[in-house]
Amino acid sequence: GAGVSQTPSNKVTEKGKYVELRCDPISGHTALYWYRQSLGQGPEFLIYFQGTGAADDSGLPNDRFFAVRPEGSVSTLKIQRTERGDSAVYLCASSLMGQGARNSPLHFGNGTRLTVT
Amino acid sequence: AQSVTQLDSQVPVFEEAPVELRCNYSSSVSVYLFWYVQYPNQGLQLLLKYLSGSTLVKGINGFEAEFNKSQTSFHLRKPSVHISDTAEYFCAVSAGGSQGNLIFGKGTKLSVKP
Repeated sequence: GAGVSQTPSNKVTEKGKYVELRCDPISGHTALYWYRQSLGQGPEFLIYFQGTGAADDSGLPNDRFFAVRPEGSVSTLKIQRTERGDSAVYLCASSLMGQGARNSPLHFGNGTRLTVT
Repeated sequence: AQSVTQLDSQVPVFEEAPVELRCNYSSSVSVYLFWYVQYPNQGLQLLLKYLSGSTLVKGINGFEAEFNKSQTSFHLRKPSVHISDTAEYFCAVSAGGSQGNLIFGKGTKLSVKP
C-alpha cells in the first residue's frame, strides 16, 4: 500500500521567504510527526499531532515554525522568514495510534530537502 | 532527558564479515530503544525495537541487537554483511510509553566493500 508521501521532494528558496512543506500520512494513521535532519546529524523531533491537534510542539525551534493538520490527515509545516540555518531534510512520519500504543511503529516518508540560499 | 551516543560515525567492513554498530543511551526513566536504517535517497526504515521482555531482539535483514541495562547499551550486530547493507544506521530512544518522540543518535555510516 501507499506509504507516507512528502511534497515537494526538494525545495530551494531565498533567505527571508515563506515555505510550506506537505505530508500525506498513511491512510487511517491518527498520529503524525515532523522531524528535521540537518547534515551529519540524526533526525530531531519537531512536533507531534494526534488527530487534528498538536499534542506536543516542544521541538519547534522558534515561532517562525508552525504546523497544521486541519482534517486529521494531511499536514503542512510552515516556515516564515526562512534563514540559511533552516536548510535541512524535513521528515514526516505517521503511526496508527500514536503515543502510548506499544505496537504502533513510525512509518517515515522520504523527506523534503529544503535549501535556503 | 534522554540522549543517544553512537560511538562510530563510519564503519567500513568487507562483505561477509561480522559487524557491530555501537549505541549507548542515557535516561532516568524506562526507555524504548530502536534501530533505523536509511538507504541512499530513501526514508528511515525500522530495523528492530526493544520495548520490554527478552533483551535480545531480532530484526529484519538478519540484524539483531541486545539491550544491556547495566551498560546502557543497545548495540546492533550482523554475523555476515552484504553489499546491500551499505547504508546509514540510526539508534533512537524514547521515554517508556511512547514510540513517537524519538531521540536519535548522529548515525553510523556502514560501508560494505567487496
